Amino acid sequence: QKEVEQDPGPLSVPEGAIVSLNCTYSNSAFQYFMWYRQYSRKGPELLMYTYSSGNKEDGRFTAQVDKSSKYISLFIRDSQPSDSATYLCAMTPAGNQFYFGTGTSLTVIP
Amino acid sequence: DAGVTQSPTHLIKTRGQHVTLRCSPISGHKSVSWYQQVLGQGPQFIFQYYEKEERGRGNFPDRFSARQFPNYSSELNVNALLLGDSALYLCASSPDSNQPQHFGDGTRLSIL
Repeated sequence: QKEVEQDPGPLSVPEGAIVSLNCTYSNSAFQYFMWYRQYSRKGPELLMYTYSSGNKEDGRFTAQVDKSSKYISLFIRDSQPSDSATYLCAMTPAGNQFYFGTGTSLTVIP
Repeated sequence: DAGVTQSPTHLIKTRGQHVTLRCSPISGHKSVSWYQQVLGQGPQFIFQYYEKEERGRGNFPDRFSARQFPNYSSELNVNALLLGDSALYLCASSPDSNQPQHFGDGTRLSIL
């Protein structure tokens, strides 16, 4: 079983839709959770960083962590064509080793 | 401020050769990590260095090695290259090891 599971998609939505991206994990020691966005031929760009359970909002992005279910989510409101990219979840128990999902490919259609 | 910079951006090698990839972290960042990203997959952790000491190591063979210099820049070395080593190699830096990492755009390594 992989440490982190993420549906690769692809996911295609119309402009303005709410997008929900999810990851599940198996290691209950994970404490720090991140979401990255990766455009083609570029490195991952940090979007959200959360510690332990709870919600965090930043502009159109909301990250949720449910440690009891070992489930994290990223919501994108009012999606834009510029949001079209691959979204990666990542997590770590203590910061010395990071585990990534496979990434979900998102296309926002104008 | 400059982000994480990696060199070279592209590299072509043949099987059995050796390669050295270089990374300069964001100014003030003391932790550097290396990742391998195969097409269609998420990054896989190779190494983490903090203050020139190895802090973490992923499940990669001994052909992979790294080091961090006093100015916090880092090198990743891969010996006896295999076709399967073809990938995007990413470097990430953070102020400390348990803080969010910021990535460079990677070195695309192709093995013929």
